[in-house]
Amino acid sequence: SQQGEEDPQALSIQEGENATMNCSYKTSINNLQWYRQNSGRGLVHLILIRSNEREKHSGRLRVTLDTSKKSSSLLITASRAADTASYFCATRGSSNTGKLIFGQGTTLQVKP
Amino acid sequence: NAGVTQTPKFQVLKTGQSMTLQCAQDMNHNSMYWYRQDPGMGLRLIYYSASEGTTDKGEVPNGYNVSRLNKREFSLRLESAAPSQTSVYFCASSNRGPEHSGANVLTFGAGSRLTVL
Repeated sequence: SQQGEEDPQALSIQEGENATMNCSYKTSINNLQWYRQNSGRGLVHLILIRSNEREKHSGRLRVTLDTSKKSSSLLITASRAADTASYFCATRGSSNTGKLIFGQGTTLQVKP
Repeated sequence: NAGVTQTPKFQVLKTGQSMTLQCAQDMNHNSMYWYRQDPGMGLRLIYYSASEGTTDKGEVPNGYNVSRLNKREFSLRLESAAPSQTSVYFCASSNRGPEHSGANVLTFGAGSRLTVL
């Protein structure tokens, strides 16, 4: 039972461009997190946004959350080849025991 | 600082064989998790341990057992491996457990790639 669904599934851009990926979820949440996974590696936490927040920044990352639409977006500005990875949203429901449920991910390729 | 260490990194089994995936964390985290990652399926939670001495089922627990050996170590056992268990397995840990009302940020290991023939 996947909670989060990322869109698009794959994205290819040129270095220096911005990359936007979206996450939709089904039930009420306590918070939403974004993780990055480089090829053959484990996931690394990028940023967390709480349900009472609408926007959050961390370096070149900007995350928005729209709880009325049950969606979030991750924007990576001025992308670099090193940003090539898969990106996952993870949600923690407000009514369940708090286990993180991951989406299927967006694969981002940044061409140099 | 090693973080979360998983062994082995790669394993090939025949159907019906058993094996144990080992996981250890050195961050003094209370909670530990086992996920599996399959193409197009994202990560699915197999089992978790909110604290030392407790374990609970996740989304896909069938065919697996776990042991929280101590605060540092959390192992995943396949008693009779099946081809459907071919996957990449990730161990993760967090300071706060799933039952905590606050944020639950996970630190992941590098993964264990298992093939069952």
